[in-house]
Amino acid sequence: GENVEQHPSTLSVQEGDSAVIKCTYSDSASNYFPWYKQELGKRPQLIIDIRSNVGEKKDQRIAVTLNKTAKHFSLHITETQPEDSAVYFCAALYGGGFKTIFGAGTRLFVKA
Amino acid sequence: DTEVTQTPKHLVMGMTNKKSLKCEQHMGHRAMYWYKQKAKKPPELMFVYSYEKLSINESVPSRFSPECPNSSLLNLHLHALQPEDSALYLCASSSQGNQPQHFGDGTRLSIL
Repeated sequence: GENVEQHPSTLSVQEGDSAVIKCTYSDSASNYFPWYKQELGKRPQLIIDIRSNVGEKKDQRIAVTLNKTAKHFSLHITETQPEDSAVYFCAALYGGGFKTIFGAGTRLFVKA
Repeated sequence: DTEVTQTPKHLVMGMTNKKSLKCEQHMGHRAMYWYKQKAKKPPELMFVYSYEKLSINESVPSRFSPECPNSSLLNLHLHALQPEDSALYLCASSSQGNQPQHFGDGTRLSIL
């Protein structure tokens, strides 16, 4: 069935280092992949997304890559800052683009 | 600013009570969603409305009853809930399928 696997579940980095979170999806029909950041007690917020006709997308310190053949996509955060500390969820959309399946989440800690 | 508004922010109810959660957006979005999120877990899709019609019901128990009175409003009617239904209930909207979803701040529900 539809599934999104996300790794690692926890990631601790030093301020200024890079962080990489990886996801794998199961259904090749999926063609939209958003990433959400959720701070403690707050709502998920979209930080970047990518569509299946694009291999890479960047927005300042954040980038996402997509390998359609392998059904992998990854989030890259460079020059991490303490305010990047949060839970990050990858997701894939199914069911005509309305059904969002989230990965289990990665808790990112950025140590000052 | 939160573009999707949810009320109430917190709700405590007994297992025999009837209550409703409300969600409102004025972005002209035609798709609206209800999610349930337990602590340290990703959001789980419950219902999707597209053009005010229920298009996805993820086998949610009938004690949860969604309603979409118009394109800006989404309700979730609650009746005879169980303690395991205690969670954060998130509403989201998008312009259509395969588009970014905007989340509200959620209603934190506790069932006594």
